[in-house]
Amino acid sequence: DIQMTQSPASLSASLGETVSIECLASEGISNDLAWYQQKSGKSPQLLIYAASRLQDGVPSRFSGSGSGTRYSLKISGMQPEDEADYFCQQSYKYPWTFGGGTKLELK
Amino acid sequence: EVQLVESGGGLVQPGRSLKLSCAASGFTFSNYYMAWVRQAPKKGLEWVATISTSGSRTYYPDSVKGRFTISRDNAKSSLYLQMNSLKSEDTATYYCATTTRDSFAYWGQGTLVTVSS
Repeated sequence: DIQMTQSPASLSASLGETVSIECLASEGISNDLAWYQQKSGKSPQLLIYAASRLQDGVPSRFSGSGSGTRYSLKISGMQPEDEADYFCQQSYKYPWTFGGGTKLELK
Repeated sequence: EVQLVESGGGLVQPGRSLKLSCAASGFTFSNYYMAWVRQAPKKGLEWVATISTSGSRTYYPDSVKGRFTISRDNAKSSLYLQMNSLKSEDTATYYCATTTRDSFAYWGQGTLVTVSS
């Protein structure tokens, strides 16, 4: 199975700060990478698919990049509503696997 | 508006069975692959099963293969997950989701399954 390692496990950011979350795959996944946001007590929501494509309705301050085994999610200008858990997920091979998650808090 | 509403969760003893349902609306259900994803309490996400549009193809991780069965009824716009031989480690909130070739686009609110004696 492809292991997805996310870092950091948690971080806090100030209002307006730019934040980056990293995801490392145990083998190359050819940009088959998605990012999800999960607010407390809610279902996950798709933010980014195919490593860098923004899902409809997602604010443009969210962006994704990367290639091979290394991928990142960037939030350009932290907002209060961005406080949440974030997960990466690979779809290159079954079983589809998720990263362990990153807890983002507002400082 | 896409809506996915799960039901059927609850408390069940180890070794017993449970069947989850997901009622879909707001989109053409028969055009979409569908999936189940679970989340143990305070833990991360785990993909559980995927089914093709017609139901002819299904996919599972080793952790549930042979115990869980995903199915669908396109006439009723409904998705199901039959869970047999349940274990304590199956305790989780189960989400149904639409799936494309690379991600889970829309999610339900989830239904909690607790496996305990």
